[in-house]
Amino acid sequence: AQTVTQSQPEMSVQEAETVTLSCTYDTSESDYYLFWYKQPPSRQMILVIRQEAYKQQNATENRFSVNFQKAAKSFSLKISDSQLGDAAMYFCAYKGAGTASKLTFGTGTRLQVTL
Amino acid sequence: DTAVSQTPKYLVTQMGNDKSIKCEQNLGHDTMYWYKQDSKKFLKIMFSYNNKELIINETVPNRFSPKSPDKAHLNLHINSLELGDSAVYFCASSQFGTGVYEQYFGPGTRLTVT
Repeated sequence: AQTVTQSQPEMSVQEAETVTLSCTYDTSESDYYLFWYKQPPSRQMILVIRQEAYKQQNATENRFSVNFQKAAKSFSLKISDSQLGDAAMYFCAYKGAGTASKLTFGTGTRLQVTL
Repeated sequence: DTAVSQTPKYLVTQMGNDKSIKCEQNLGHDTMYWYKQDSKKFLKIMFSYNNKELIINETVPNRFSPKSPDKAHLNLHINSLELGDSAVYFCASSQFGTGVYEQYFGPGTRLTVT
């Protein structure tokens, strides 16, 4: 079974600084997808960024980028120029290819942004 | 326009009652899901329907019964509610086969069983 591990329960970053959230996963599949979701206090789950395993290039969405290391099964999220609105729980998630493959979440990292 | 909507957003009920949560998506997706987020924020899938057919059925009590009347709707009915059922329940949807597999989540329903 696939597992997703987020080893940092909490992180803190100063406004305008950069922070990296860690995620590792375990799988025997070669084709899969990785995601970072953000959950602010409103509890809405918001997709931040996705990465297809077959793509070597790291995904980037504005201030958010990932460092995808397929061999190491690592998928970290870098947030640049942190803003107060970035404060939230961040969940790393894995999904294999195929309709019946489920989305497996990590335990989350709570990110605080300080002035 | 809300992409994935759930009703109600909050539900407080007593042990032993039966309740339903409704979910609708207007994204034209063919796959819908129910997730449970516990008090420690851990998210776990419960069910998934693709084109109204059940394709994922995790180990959940059979007091939980999903129903998909059409591709745009997936409801969750819970019988004989227990204290441990208190959680936030999320509905989500995705489109299989486009090469883009992200799931879009509804706002969640906070269920409190007293």
